[in-house]
Formats: sequence, structure tokens, C-alpha cells
Amino acid sequence: DAGVIQSPRHEVTEMGQEVTLRCKPISGHDYLFWYRQTMMRGLELLIYFNNNVPIDDSGMPEDRFSAKMPNASFSTLKIQPSEPRDSAVYFCASSLAGMVETQYFGPGTRLLVL
Amino acid sequence: GESVGLHLPTLSVQEGDNSIINCAYSNSASDYFIWYKQESGKGPQFIIDIRSNMDKRQGQRVTVLLNKTVKHLSLQIAATQPGDSAVYFCAENQRKDEKLTFGTGTRLTIIP
Repeated sequence: DAGVIQSPRHEVTEMGQEVTLRCKPISGHDYLFWYRQTMMRGLELLIYFNNNVPIDDSGMPEDRFSAKMPNASFSTLKIQPSEPRDSAVYFCASSLAGMVETQYFGPGTRLLVL
Repeated sequence: GESVGLHLPTLSVQEGDNSIINCAYSNSASDYFIWYKQESGKGPQFIIDIRSNMDKRQGQRVTVLLNKTVKHLSLQIAATQPGDSAVYFCAENQRKDEKLTFGTGTRLTIIP
């Protein structure tokens, strides 16, 4: 298995632009998680899905952030409009139901908003 | 104003020595714990886990100890190697859901 796939790996954009991050979870995994990692706040859970349905989005910082999971093999995290303080590494992870220990992380997308 | 980042604890260990990384968790209701390793430019990777009904678990070169009384978790790495250099995170979970809450991490540097 290729593991969790994220794209792009690096993104540089200007303030005000829309940013879309993509994730392909491990095939067969029921849960998908989006995390953000910064020096200020460490590794934070933003939102997670079960069987493509958002379960908990309490970590999403603002209405500028939105996430979708149209099918079992694809999810997006969108920031519109982006701001410099959104600069971070965004990780996607997936796991099997009831098996938190199977939560595997992707390589991350390093986002820089100028 | 000046931005203040997380103070990431650091630990430097001579190659071949043992290392101990500590973690204080916050939620007394947490009943499952995982240690993750994050190498530069990569996502966190699972190392070892432990359930709250245990106080010790051993893996290959790694041991996790759990003290529920003081809400403390430790990761022991035996005979450290250069490849052990990374940031190590503890994460806690309540089995009622799938969420993990991560600690701030410790940077381990192995000195050749």
C-alpha cells in the first residue's frame, strides 16, 4: 500500500488566495483526519470524518477553513481567503474504525502564505 | 509584537546510550496512549502504544511506562542509534471516540 497520499507537498501563495489541499487515505480505512502543525500550537486536530461524514469539526479555526470528503478515497481542505497566519504543515491521517493505533499520517503539505 | 513559539524540550544522548523521554498527559479520562516519532520533513509514525490497564509495555528497543496516579508517560529507547534522532510525541485517546490529543513533543538528538 502506498500509505496516505497528500498533494501538493509544498505550496506558496499570496494572502487572499484560495488554497486547496488534497488527501487520499489508505484504502479500506474508515476514518480520515486533518491536522495542522505549527511552532506556536503544536499538532492540532482540525476535523475528522467517518465514512465520508464529518464527525467533529470543532478544531477548524475559522469559517475560512472548510473540508470535504466526497468519497472514500479523497478529501480536501480548503482555505479561502488565506492569511499569513495559516502558514503551517497540514497533515492528513486515516485509520480503521475502532483502531486508533492504525492512524497513519501522510507526509504533509507545507503551506506558506505571503 | 514578538511571537512566542512552543518551547520544545530537547534531549541529547550519546549513541549507544539509553534515553528516556517523558510526557505528562492532561485528561484523567484518557485510557489509551501512543508514542509517535516524527523525523524531519515527515509525518508522525507510530512507535508503541499502551492501554490504561497496563503500566508497562515493551517493543523492540522501546519500552513505554504509564503512571496513571500522576498522569505520566515515558518512552525508553535502548542502545540509541543515529536514526533515533527525531521529535517524539505522546498522544492520548479516550476509547469513546477516535480522537488523539498530542503533547508538545521532545526533540531527541543522538550524538555520534
